[in-house]
Amino acid sequence: QKEVEQDPGPLSVPEGAIVSLNCTYSNSAFQYFMWYRQYSRKGPELLMYTYSSGNKEDGRFTAQVDKSSKYISLFIRDSQPSDSATYLCAMSDYLYNNNDMRFGAGTRLTVKP
Amino acid sequence: DAGITQSPRHKVTETGTPVTLRCHQTENHRYMYWYRQDPGHGLRLIHYSYGVKDTDKGEVSDGYSVSRSKTEDFLLTLESATSSQTSVYFCAILVNTEAFFGQGTRLTVV
Repeated sequence: QKEVEQDPGPLSVPEGAIVSLNCTYSNSAFQYFMWYRQYSRKGPELLMYTYSSGNKEDGRFTAQVDKSSKYISLFIRDSQPSDSATYLCAMSDYLYNNNDMRFGAGTRLTVKP
Repeated sequence: DAGITQSPRHKVTETGTPVTLRCHQTENHRYMYWYRQDPGHGLRLIHYSYGVKDTDKGEVSDGYSVSRSKTEDFLLTLESATSSQTSVYFCAILVNTEAFFGQGTRLTVV
């Protein structure tokens, strides 16, 4: 079993839809949870990160963490064609420790105009 | 792109040949990383460096070696390339708490 499971999609939605992206994990030591966005043929870029359980909002993006269920989500409101990308979840036990970060396989999202 | 350059961007090589990928940063960040990205597996850490001549293994280090003789350059070597090493390779640097990734190198081993 992988430490981090993420539905690879692909996911296709109309412009303006609310998108929900999810990951589950097995390692209870994870405390920092990140979402990366990766455009085609580019490197990943950090969207946002959260610590422990709870919600964090940044514009149209909201990250949720439920440590009791080992489940994290990224919601995108009012989705735009420019949001079309692959979204990777990642998690680690220490914020400064990139060595032990584990990534999900990524979900490919297409937002159609 | 936080001043990260990977070279080459694309390479096709034959099984059994050595291959070296280069990651260059324009600033003096201490931590540098090599990942590979494969369908269904996401990003997996191969090796990382925490300073000149200081390197350590990651999750999938077998068949790879690295060197860092200068702060700005981190080299990844496949000593004898195999088809299982066909992948997209990403270099990353750690800037404060955030990892910045390069554009990637698409390597095909035939």
